[in-house]
Amino acid sequence: NAGVMQNPRHLVRRRGQEARLRCSPMKGHSHVYWYRQLPEEGLKFMVYLQKENIIDESGMPKERFSAEFPKEGPSILRIQQVVRGDSAAYFCASSPRRDVNGYTFGSGTRLTVV
Amino acid sequence: GQQLNQSPQSMFIQEGEDVSMNCTSSSIFNTWLWYKQEPGEGPVLLIALYKAGELTSNGRLTAQFGITRKDSFLNISASIPSDVGIYFCAGQRDAGGTSYGKLTFGQGTILTVHP
Repeated sequence: NAGVMQNPRHLVRRRGQEARLRCSPMKGHSHVYWYRQLPEEGLKFMVYLQKENIIDESGMPKERFSAEFPKEGPSILRIQQVVRGDSAAYFCASSPRRDVNGYTFGSGTRLTVV
Repeated sequence: GQQLNQSPQSMFIQEGEDVSMNCTSSSIFNTWLWYKQEPGEGPVLLIALYKAGELTSNGRLTAQFGITRKDSFLNISASIPSDVGIYFCAGQRDAGGTSYGKLTFGQGTILTVHP
């Protein structure tokens, strides 16, 4: 079984560009969570999605950030008009149920804004 | 918002020594988890704790869920060089009675093991 797949592993964007981060959950997992990790900090929850639905986006910045998990294909975290402060590691986790049992993280996407 | 306070921030130990780190919160969490993160990778689950007072072991690792549900500790016995990494505690708290997997993380403990 493949684990949670995130791509790209590294992404460099200039200020003002868009960043698209992809997350393919483990097979059979329909719950996806996105977290952001700033340097030397713990992970901070951003958004929780099930197929085609956003369940909790309480950790998402109000502007420029959006997330989706379509019926077919990976979950996408989209950051528009990136700024230097968006530089961070973004991790996706998936689980087969609503709780933490079976919760598995991907290897992350490291976004650098120059 | 909810916070988990993790200590110590960093530890430098000799191979073979035992390690202890802990996590406290002002809020109750129903599940406590301990993760290890290595450079360039995502967190990997080490131990999950589901019941207050629970003591669980996984090889050289032992973790306990505090009786008040507001704290947890992780012990590593007889450390080896491959124990190097960042250790995070994380808590899951029911949201409005409907539990789901939103985790709150501590700031991490950076462990360095000298051979």
